[in-house]
Amino acid sequence: DAGVIQSPRHEVTEMGQEVTLRCKPISGHDYLFWYRQTMMRGLELLIYFNNNVPIDDSGMPEDRFSAKMPNASFSTLKIQPSEPRDSAVYFCASSPPGLGETQYFGPGTRLLVL
Amino acid sequence: QKEVEQNSGPLSVPEGAIASLNCTYSDRGSQSFFWYRQYSGKSPELIMFIYSNGDKEDGRFTAQLNKASQYVSLLIRDSQPSDSATYLCAVRGAQKLVFGQGTRLTINP
Repeated sequence: DAGVIQSPRHEVTEMGQEVTLRCKPISGHDYLFWYRQTMMRGLELLIYFNNNVPIDDSGMPEDRFSAKMPNASFSTLKIQPSEPRDSAVYFCASSPPGLGETQYFGPGTRLLVL
Repeated sequence: QKEVEQNSGPLSVPEGAIASLNCTYSDRGSQSFFWYRQYSGKSPELIMFIYSNGDKEDGRFTAQLNKASQYVSLLIRDSQPSDSATYLCAVRGAQKLVFGQGTRLTINP
């Protein structure tokens, strides 16, 4: 079975540009999570969805970040405008029906904002 | 106080020995506890979960939970060089999973 798919795997952009990260969860999973990982702050939950509905976005750092899940098989995380401090690895994870605990992570998108 | 705390390491253990990784958490109402392994440049992968006080064994791995002390640990027996990775403790709070910073483990041949 295909795991969580993320694209792009690497992104290099300049400050001020819009960045869109994409995620396809595992089929049948109804939870989807977006995380950011840096050396300084570790793995931080940004937002999560259940059945395509955003449940908790308290981890979204500021209004420059937005996430959508238009259907059960696709989600985006957008940063506009991007800043150098947004440089990090962004992971998407999905979880089967239940409490959203057993999370399966995608390979991540490595973002570098110059 | 952080919600989930781990010693960042690095923890260095000789091959064949027992590696012991520790984690404390602040939310006394937490019910579910997880250990993820993350190899350098890769994504986290779930290796163990535990819900009840006591020990849970899976192969060379044993998770230990003490809710009274708000403490969860992971033991790796017969450590192998392939166990070298960062180990993330995760605790389910009221609404979501909270991860610790991770402990970097190195197994020396």
